[in-house]
Amino acid sequence: QLVLTQSPSASASLGASVELTCTLGGGHRTSAIAWHQHRPEQGPRFLMKLNGDGSHKRGDGIPDRFSGSASGPVRYLTISNLQSEDEADYYCQTWGTGGVFGGGTKLTVL
Amino acid sequence: EVQLVESGGGSVQPGRSLRLSCEASGFNFDYSAMHWVRQAPGKGLEWVSGISWNSGDVGYADSVKGRFTISRDNAKESLYLQMNSLRVEDTAFYYCVKDIVAYSGAFFDSWGQGTLVTVSS
Repeated sequence: QLVLTQSPSASASLGASVELTCTLGGGHRTSAIAWHQHRPEQGPRFLMKLNGDGSHKRGDGIPDRFSGSASGPVRYLTISNLQSEDEADYYCQTWGTGGVFGGGTKLTVL
Repeated sequence: EVQLVESGGGSVQPGRSLRLSCEASGFNFDYSAMHWVRQAPGKGLEWVSGISWNSGDVGYADSVKGRFTISRDNAKESLYLQMNSLRVEDTAFYYCVKDIVAYSGAFFDSWGQGTLVTVSS
């Protein structure tokens, strides 16, 4: 069964970098995922599609401060030069027998 | 610019029905699979249902199977979700979501702002 595991929370200082992780379970080490950002009181926003080889394609208008990488079953979202507006929940997503989401990571910008 | 605008949410009693609508614009609606995703209060995102470009392939989460029906009208560039036998646990924001592929499902690349469904006695 395809499962995505994320840490519940992360924090980093304004201007710093932070790395969020999403681990693929159920033997799906090479699967691609998507990263989404969900700010309070807004609809979620697609950030990027991230392939198993670490190549990624950002969504329209997503700044290059957001980047992705991969190692084995782990998919990474790195946010550089953190801004206050980056404080949000971040979800990884893929497709199994239906849509599959990780539990989300709440990012706090200090 | 892709726009997805949901409507039809509201407050209903358990056991009643609601129909959500989503009006799409800014992309080739005919060429995109579409989905409904929800977020219950204090919870994460949950895929609810999806439909292929030609309505030939539909899928549902186990939690809504047999109670919810997804449909689309490509001429009207609209997506729908008929929700019957609503339960308290269906209370959530419901988002209309566009897929990057036309058939089955893959990755969600555009989201609406959501419509709130509250099920309470």
